Amino acid sequence: GQQVMQIPQYQHVQEGEDFTTYCNSSTTLSNIQWYKQRPGGHPVFLIQLVKSGEVKKQKRLTFQFGEAKKNSSLHITATQTTDVGTYFCAGHLGNEKLTFGTGTRLTIIP
Amino acid sequence: EAEVAQSPRYKITEKSQAVAFWCDPISGHATLYWYRQILGQGPELLVQFQDESVVDDSQLPKDRFSAERLKGVDSTLKIQPAELGDSAMYLCASSLGQGLEGANVLTFGAGSRLTVL
Repeated sequence: GQQVMQIPQYQHVQEGEDFTTYCNSSTTLSNIQWYKQRPGGHPVFLIQLVKSGEVKKQKRLTFQFGEAKKNSSLHITATQTTDVGTYFCAGHLGNEKLTFGTGTRLTIIP
Repeated sequence: EAEVAQSPRYKITEKSQAVAFWCDPISGHATLYWYRQILGQGPELLVQFQDESVVDDSQLPKDRFSAERLKGVDSTLKIQPAELGDSAMYLCASSLGQGLEGANVLTFGAGSRLTVL
């Protein structure tokens, strides 16, 4: 089964509110990637984090990689309707196989 | 912008029938992946190729699934016989594979949605 868990599974927010999804691995990751999948679409790469404690920003999106390299988070400030979709983290476990998390589905209430 | 091509986009079949999916990765991408995504779940790796060699097929149900990438370019995933539980999206992805930072970033195709009746 999947060893990379995400919470929450679903999140409904009013447009303009913030959103955060958390990713947790049972084992240390060599790096963490984040993907976004729009409804009916396919996963699209957002960003990769490699270093312990790393923080990266893309406009309203902030990505963090935990100090122990076992967890990560994605925070969206002031959500917009274009943010709708499912956000997946994906990590390279010891054998370099990229394992996807369970995903957090974000819906926006206009 | 370069894309990963997959066909067919949709396939409806009856259980016990054979089905095949095709994938053409981005030119120059050495690593090719087949993932299965069940509705509401994350993609699960079925098989990973480095050039023409399989590097991971630990989650591939080998009694009914097979995958090949004979010339190290395009790839075919086959299911025979299909079962009801095989209904899912089959996603192909590719990456550069080695070298510079970002070489392990996946570019996905649009997927092939399989419905088994």
